[in-house]
Amino acid sequence: SYVLNQPPSVAVAPGKTATMTCEGDNLGIRSVHWYQQKPGQAPVLVMYNDRGRPSGIPERFSGSNSGNTATLTISRVEAGDEAAYYCQVWDNSNDHRVFGDGTKLTVL
Amino acid sequence: EVQLVESGGGLVQPGGSLRLSCTVSGFIFGDFELNWVRQAPGKGLEWLAYISSGGRAIYYTDSVKGRFIISRDNAKKSLFLQMNSLRVEDTATYYCVRGGGINLPFDSWGQGTLVTVSS
Repeated sequence: SYVLNQPPSVAVAPGKTATMTCEGDNLGIRSVHWYQQKPGQAPVLVMYNDRGRPSGIPERFSGSNSGNTATLTISRVEAGDEAAYYCQVWDNSNDHRVFGDGTKLTVL
Repeated sequence: EVQLVESGGGLVQPGGSLRLSCTVSGFIFGDFELNWVRQAPGKGLEWLAYISSGGRAIYYTDSVKGRFIISRDNAKKSLFLQMNSLRVEDTATYYCVRGGGINLPFDSWGQGTLVTVSS
């Protein structure tokens, strides 16, 4: 089955840029989605189909996907961005939906 | 406003059964694919099961296949998860989630219902 790898944690100072990666075999040919989950809350979709921003998500959030790596970038990071971020794809080999293990973003 | 509300969670003994429900509002239930996703305490997200808008296509992750059954009643705008042969490791918050079709995201999530499997 398909596997997505994410670093466990990323730390960034307020106002700086946070970059979170998601790695998988030939991931660039797949559509990657990203979810933000704050403590005690349900996940929220923040990026779809690699670089699409849902309504209500700030322009500070951007995405890309090429080769084996998808990236979620948050510019001008704010304290309210502190959360866990999960990438997700559809696995066409078995029709399963797959999540990465998540990256905990800490705002210093 | 799109809303998904799960119910039916609680404490159950290992080997027992539980049926989760999800009722929705704010969208045409029969037009959308639905899923169950869970999260064990302190852990990440795990997709469990998918059901197509008409209910004909169903998929499960390997860890619950043969034990859990996803179903829907479009007339009652409800999604269900029948969980049998429950194990301690099934302890988690269970989310009802809209979307998740081929290359499509999970675009709306319920607040979750907690299932605790313990003796």
